[in-house]
Amino acid sequence: GQNIDQPTEMTATEGAIVQINCTYQTSGFNGLFWYQQHAGEAPTFLSYNVLDGLEEKGRFSSFLSRSKGYSYLLLKELQMKDSASYLCAVRDGDYKLSFGAGTTVTVRA
Amino acid sequence: GAVVSQHPSRVICKSGTSVKIECRSLDFQATTMFWYRQFPKKSLMLMATSNEGSKATYEQGVEKDKFLINHASLTLSTLTVTSAHPEDSSFYICSASVSATQQFFGPGTRLTVL
Repeated sequence: GQNIDQPTEMTATEGAIVQINCTYQTSGFNGLFWYQQHAGEAPTFLSYNVLDGLEEKGRFSSFLSRSKGYSYLLLKELQMKDSASYLCAVRDGDYKLSFGAGTTVTVRA
Repeated sequence: GAVVSQHPSRVICKSGTSVKIECRSLDFQATTMFWYRQFPKKSLMLMATSNEGSKATYEQGVEKDKFLINHASLTLSTLTVTSAHPEDSSFYICSASVSATQQFFGPGTRLTVL
């Protein structure tokens, strides 16, 4: 089966930086995704990594190391609206997405 | 970006009834859609892969007779929860792949079975 681990909760101050780590063990690998999900809503796409390295998109960056089965999502210049759950998802050899349990980020003023 | 809609957004039903949830891709065609369910503060769990014009592929542990999936066209997939019971209460989300790098999700359907 798939095993995807990420911290349950993180708290940070407005304007700060937060790094959410994700480790995975899956049967096959065809990319790693990060999604943002607000309570009661569907996930929205943030980033996609398939090769090792850092992908930067504005205030959000995502890093991948395939050899270590490790990724992180970096949120810079935190805003109150960034308070949400962040889901790490890995696409396996069958192109199916397996999700981590999500990390709830709380941004405080 | 691509838009995926779901209907209804919220449904409350009595135990023993069947509930149909629709998933539509509004501005693109989707040969493959996915159905997930999510319990409070838990991860999304893939239930099945819906393929246009053919039978759905169910994940291990998901009862195909309980959760009927029909992918009638390139823009519509439906999930019918048959003889619903309180333990079927959950947040059901569909998604469709636009490209190899992106999968767009519908807004979800909150099902409550009394």
